[in-house]
Amino acid sequence: SAVISQKPSRDICQRGTSLTIQCQVDSQVTMMFWYRQQPGQSLTLIATANQGSEATYESGFVIDKFPISRPNLTFSTLTVSNMSPEDSSIYLCSVEIGEGQGIYEQYFGPGTRLTVT
Amino acid sequence: QKEVEQNSGPLSVPEGAIASLNCTYSDRVSQSFFWYRQYSGKSPELIMSIYSNGDKEDGRFTAQLNKASQYVSLLIRDSQPSDSATYLCAAFTGGGNKLTFGTGTQLKVEL
Repeated sequence: SAVISQKPSRDICQRGTSLTIQCQVDSQVTMMFWYRQQPGQSLTLIATANQGSEATYESGFVIDKFPISRPNLTFSTLTVSNMSPEDSSIYLCSVEIGEGQGIYEQYFGPGTRLTVT
Repeated sequence: QKEVEQNSGPLSVPEGAIASLNCTYSDRVSQSFFWYRQYSGKSPELIMSIYSNGDKEDGRFTAQLNKASQYVSLLIRDSQPSDSATYLCAAFTGGGNKLTFGTGTQLKVEL
């Protein structure tokens, strides 16, 4: 597995502002991902953070709203831009770890709980 | 059909009993399946993965995969109150490493 940290752990923000969430892992990983978990819901993949290239976004998520950086193999940021109350969610980063023999598993950071007022 | 489906529960079992959590999947998923446990207010924690038909045991947990019937299950033996959580079934979809989650099953282990 891996030790993953996220900052901030929680925040309360006003609508129209932006928040940048940081994700740090204790080892170099090729694949990092950002998920959203809305209240009472399951996890939805926002994008795959690619090192050295633009992130790959899932349907319904766009770069202008959720810009992502991946400057190296241990760090990524997700920005939630021009926030509205509908953006109130838990945002989670995850990393993919190869377990050998073509097996990959994903491990999650502790999450960032965002409330937009 | 959704790619990964779970009964939302809640599933209530008495302490010491076997809890059985089920998940069905569509043809659009790959053959790698994962069970995550999520306590309220916490992030998901990977507890089991299974890739081959049959059973895989780890302590009190057993994952079962039946490819013919397209379901994967998680059995928790000797259930404890500390097992009370939401259990998320997940699988890789899209031919790559995109992890798609079911809606989760809430388990309550009662004294």
